[in-house]
Amino acid sequence: KAGVTQTPRYLIKTRGQQVTLSCSPISGHRSVSWYQQTPGQGLQFLFEYFSETQRNKGNFPGRFSGRQFSNSRSEMNVSTLELGDSALYLCASSAGQGAFGEQFFGPGTRLTVL
Amino acid sequence: KNEVEQSPQNLTAQEGEFITINCSYSVGISALHWLQQHPGGGIVSLFMLSSGKKKHGRLIATINIQEKHSSLHITASHPRDSAVYICAVNSNTDKLIFGTGTRLQVFP
Repeated sequence: KAGVTQTPRYLIKTRGQQVTLSCSPISGHRSVSWYQQTPGQGLQFLFEYFSETQRNKGNFPGRFSGRQFSNSRSEMNVSTLELGDSALYLCASSAGQGAFGEQFFGPGTRLTVL
Repeated sequence: KNEVEQSPQNLTAQEGEFITINCSYSVGISALHWLQQHPGGGIVSLFMLSSGKKKHGRLIATINIQEKHSSLHITASHPRDSAVYICAVNSNTDKLIFGTGTRLQVFP
């Protein structure tokens, strides 16, 4: 089975712009979670989707949003980018119906905000 | 105080040594994960456990729910084990909370 894929792998944006990141889970996995990793804060949970519904959300401002499609692919969007949004954004998928089963991570999208 | 604490933050070892990384948490949980992150960013799930002990090759993970503590052991360490090891917990408030990681370097 193909692993979790994320596009694009690298992205450079300027402050105030918006960005959309994409994640394709492992075939058959219906839960997709998004995480932000920075040197200062480490890994932080953004949100989790299951069957097109956001089930869980971390402590991030409303500028961070996401959605999941009927084929389980997911996108996350960050509007009005700030310098502090520069980070590695990871998505992970898991099998089963529970939140946060064994997480299969994608390679990440490295976002740089100038 | 972080809800998930790992120790040590940094660890160096000689090839062949037995290694222990500790994780303590202060929240109610349903399960705990051990993850491995190599330079370049890729993260791999090593274990997910909610009780007792699991073993996979040279890796062993244990959890004590009453003491809110988990350990990851690496037997016969090898330079390829050099990575950051991250503990994460499924909190009872439906969030995945991460520790700050333990950077392990194993020298030949």
